[in-house]
Amino acid sequence: NAGVTQTPKFQVLKTGQSMTLQCAQDMNHNSMYWYRQDPGMGLRLIYYSASEGTTDKGEVPNGYNVSRLNKREFSLRLESAAPSQTSVYFCATSFTVSEPSGNTIYFGEGSWLTVV
Amino acid sequence: GQSLEQPSEVTAVEGAIVQINCTYQTSGFYGLSWYQQHDGGAPTFLSYNALDGLEETGRFSSFLSRSDSYGYLLLQELQMKDSASYFCAVRKAAGNKLTFGGGTRVLVKP
Repeated sequence: NAGVTQTPKFQVLKTGQSMTLQCAQDMNHNSMYWYRQDPGMGLRLIYYSASEGTTDKGEVPNGYNVSRLNKREFSLRLESAAPSQTSVYFCATSFTVSEPSGNTIYFGEGSWLTVV
Repeated sequence: GQSLEQPSEVTAVEGAIVQINCTYQTSGFYGLSWYQQHDGGAPTFLSYNALDGLEETGRFSSFLSRSDSYGYLLLQELQMKDSASYFCAVRKAAGNKLTFGGGTRVLVKP
């Protein structure tokens, strides 16, 4: 049972390049999230998807796009990477609010992205 | 807008008790969560308070006072493995989005 799986784990990009971070979950959760964490900082929500077919902006959506491909997969795309996007990216999932344990969010292991 | 404040760092010895305070300002407050994160690792869920009072889970307890917009995480019988960062996070009423505080780094010394 893998839980929340993110790929790639490490990536170095040049300014202006594009890339997609992939996230897949096998927990049968409806809600999925993308957070970024800068060194010594808390997590900031980029985008989230409350359920399959819906996405919504979080605190820091600029420079990113997302796709909720199906219930299991939620990808994050950087169209034109900038050094300010150097960060650790976490995918996360949860049950919906109304369900038991809906308040618990499960995080993937993180993707370390460096933009030079 | 929303903001959460928690101390940046706390140091204590093994066996001691540590209290990490979290004050928040937010509209539509629904609940307060706590997460633990070891260096290089993923955040993991510790506790959640939607109502005023104390929630106890083993050595860790969490408290919430909605009227004071304040909560705390209490770590008892500290162990070396408790050295980590601890984040409070506010859940808004509109959904399951969490806004995280900046984290408190706890260093446990022998």
